[in-house]
Amino acid sequence: VMTQSPDSLAVSLGERATINCRSSRSVFYSSNNKNYLAWYQQKPGQPPKLLIYWASTRESGVPDRFSGSGSGTDFTLTISSLQAEDVAVYYCQQYYDTPWAFGQGTKVEIK
Amino acid sequence: QVQLVQSGSELKKTGASVKVSCKASGYSFSGYAMNWVRQAPGQGLECMGWINTNTGEPMYAQGFTGRFVFSLDTSVSTAYLQINSLKTEDTAVYYCATWLEVAHWGQGTLVTVSS
Repeated sequence: VMTQSPDSLAVSLGERATINCRSSRSVFYSSNNKNYLAWYQQKPGQPPKLLIYWASTRESGVPDRFSGSGSGTDFTLTISSLQAEDVAVYYCQQYYDTPWAFGQGTKVEIK
Repeated sequence: QVQLVQSGSELKKTGASVKVSCKASGYSFSGYAMNWVRQAPGQGLECMGWINTNTGEPMYAQGFTGRFVFSLDTSVSTAYLQINSLKTEDTAVYYCATWLEVAHWGQGTLVTVSS
């Protein structure tokens, strides 16, 4: 089970947004030293867009204001300087085992 | 480049069946499992399960056994999701997705079920 906090977040333009994700069990695989944790952004009417994988690796083309951190069971997505186009719902996902599991989503809005 | 292209929107009556397709290109189809994800209106993402594209063995997540069927046609690199005995609560967008180094998702297929 993946649990995100908060469920929603209102941040002023240019300010930092932080989303947390906790897994009920570790998603760290010691044999390759990787955390099987991804972050997605979803805007209305669109499929989820991969932002971060391996907990902290930014997908190609994703702005560097997006960053991921954490290990084991606790993870964080940070948007360092919120832009208008970042308004969306954000999901964490574990792909350590199957079936995949997603957090319930965090809605990010402009204050 | 890797692409997953899904079939178009469907409007069905309760009790009917629907079959959603997901055509893969740009990679070795049989090398990577295909996952199915449901998103009900205004709700989050829910993994329905996955199918081993090498053996054809499906694995269904809790809550998706019985009426849901994953299948393949490897000759055309296509995965299918069939939902039988449709209920209004099956109304959702259904996504196929696979993981090759990074995640790749289809564009989604809206299935609307009305009584």
